[in-house]
Amino acid sequence: SQQGEEDPQALSIQEGENATMNCSYKTSINNLQWYRQNSGRGLVHLILIRSNEREKHSGRLRVTLDTSKKSSSLLITASRAADTASYFCLSHDYKLSFGAGTTVTVRA
Amino acid sequence: GAVVSQHPSWVICKSGTSVKIECRSLDFQATTMFWYRQFPKQSLMLMATSNEGSKATYEQGVEKDKFLINHASLTLSTLTVTSAHPEDSSFYICSAAITGPDTQYFGPGTRLTVL
Repeated sequence: SQQGEEDPQALSIQEGENATMNCSYKTSINNLQWYRQNSGRGLVHLILIRSNEREKHSGRLRVTLDTSKKSSSLLITASRAADTASYFCLSHDYKLSFGAGTTVTVRA
Repeated sequence: GAVVSQHPSWVICKSGTSVKIECRSLDFQATTMFWYRQFPKQSLMLMATSNEGSKATYEQGVEKDKFLINHASLTLSTLTVTSAHPEDSSFYICSAAITGPDTQYFGPGTRLTVL
């Protein structure tokens, strides 16, 4: 069963705006990862944050992890049309669980 | 970077037939490969984890006799959907890991349509 839940389920923003999505999980984790999936394609790894880290950056991406709330957020700054995709979190405790995903549409 | 391929990328078959999907790590040896299923507009569901030379570990609710997994080498794992039915129509994605599940490289997926 899916452990992670993500919100919002869908997000539509204008190019140049920031997009924020959240992921929650239920048990203690070793790490949490974020992936992007373009429609009908495979997954692209974006970033991994370990349980002892609170924030991580990669280019226009910023990920936070709050283990007390069992949640993580992914922020995409200065969004581009090419960022249009579905974004999933993957939590890793004793098993792997993908979140439900957030579909982001960036309007030109 | 590490590349994982899947073959075929899409397949259409008749109900009752079996379909084999291959997952290959092209430029690295994968100790573990994972198979996921994704229904339209839904997330990925882990089906099974396979290690080279040993039996796959299936997730709860996944029929091992229905979804046969063979991991014969460090670069190849196959998923065979036996006696496929329309409800098996889905997007099947594999991933390969070098040292553990923290670093998975995903294949492009295989879209299976069972008529």
